[in-house]
Amino acid sequence: NAGVTQTPKFQVLKTGQSMTLQCAQDMNHEYMSWYRQDPGMGLRLIHYSVGAGITDQGEVPNGYNVSRSTTEDFPLRLLSAAPSQTSVYFCASRLQGGTDTQYFGPGTRLTVL
Amino acid sequence: EDQVTQSPEALRLQEGESSSLNCSYTVSGLRGLFWYRQDPGKGPEFLFTLYSAGEEKEKERLKATLTKKESFLHITAPKPEDSATYLCAVNDYKLSFGAGTTVTVRA
Repeated sequence: NAGVTQTPKFQVLKTGQSMTLQCAQDMNHEYMSWYRQDPGMGLRLIHYSVGAGITDQGEVPNGYNVSRSTTEDFPLRLLSAAPSQTSVYFCASRLQGGTDTQYFGPGTRLTVL
Repeated sequence: EDQVTQSPEALRLQEGESSSLNCSYTVSGLRGLFWYRQDPGKGPEFLFTLYSAGEEKEKERLKATLTKKESFLHITAPKPEDSATYLCAVNDYKLSFGAGTTVTVRA
């Protein structure tokens, strides 16, 4: 049972480039989400999904796209990277409801030059 | 909109010196308050969930308590391995996180 896995661990992009951050979980969790963590600002929700085929926006969705074609995978796409997207990105999952324990992946550190 | 404020931002303790971290929150309908521990370069690790005022939970040297407006994380006789950033989050429908308290315990 690997839990929540994320790839890559580190990434450097140039402004305007696109890329996909991968997230997978093997716990059969319905709810998955993406956060970004910036110094002094805590974790902020980007997008979330309550099940395959269903996604919604969080607090800071601009510049990011998501899709959920399977229960296991929840990739985050940056369409045209900007320096403001330099951050650490965490994927998380939980079984279902709002008070279920949320499990986090190890994170992806992204730098946009 | 949910708001979570943690204090202090940083806490430096001597080994064995007990202290408390504060998490104050504003939420329309609290469904749960969560404490996480985060080590440098890693994702947050779940510690506790508290659901109602008056509830307490303990794990080793950590004890979390909850009132109607805030939660405290008490660290009793800390050891260097307790050094980490402690995050508080509240759940209405989505999780809202505080900025965290970074605890450093010196031997």
